Amino acid sequence: DGGITQSPKYLFRKEGQNVTLSCEQNLNHDAMYWYRQDPGQGLRLIYYSQIVNDFQKGDIAEGYSVSREKKESFPLTVTSAQKNPTAFYLCASRRDSYNYGYTFGSGTRLTVV
Amino acid sequence: GEDVEQSLFLSVREGDSSVINCTYTDSSSTYLYWYKQEPGAGLQLLTYIFSNMDMKQDQRLTVLLNKKDKHLSLRIADTQTGDSAIYFCAEMSSNTGKLIFGQGTTLQVKP
Repeated sequence: DGGITQSPKYLFRKEGQNVTLSCEQNLNHDAMYWYRQDPGQGLRLIYYSQIVNDFQKGDIAEGYSVSREKKESFPLTVTSAQKNPTAFYLCASRRDSYNYGYTFGSGTRLTVV
Repeated sequence: GEDVEQSLFLSVREGDSSVINCTYTDSSSTYLYWYKQEPGAGLQLLTYIFSNMDMKQDQRLTVLLNKKDKHLSLRIADTQTGDSAIYFCAEMSSNTGKLIFGQGTTLQVKP
């Protein structure tokens, strides 16, 4: 079955470390997105990519980095510059037809210890 | 700018109807969506409505769109305990193709 796979489901990071969250899709979607979710704040866009080898900053890109070397993959690195990284991270992809909206992965919960 | 607003919490009794409301600002939005998020999970697309429609019904779900007031609602008939979740309203920006989400409405269904 086609879908988006995020891994790991839970991730623990020590202060000062960089960590990378994986997002892989086999839907043949061109556009991919990373969101951060905090309680009561909805979803905030971190980065997005509409095509391979190109990506744009979202609303809260500071302290994060991404790459898009393959259509299927859009990993997110949470750097040590991100002051408050504890959150639930969601990856999504979109096909060309807007009526299908986005397809979401099951999320990664990152906790700083 | 683009903004989507929702109330944060709704509590209903099992078997009652639930109505979740949403307002948006981008009058050029072509599609509006409702997503459901269960605890610890990703978002699941429930339904969508095209901007030239007033209503869409899909089994227990009814979406109403008032373009003049930029108001969207989701009605869940015969609400069940399994409907307890966070519901997000979202509009698709026609300029960027990005989804703009509301804060989410937590629906609590009491037995």
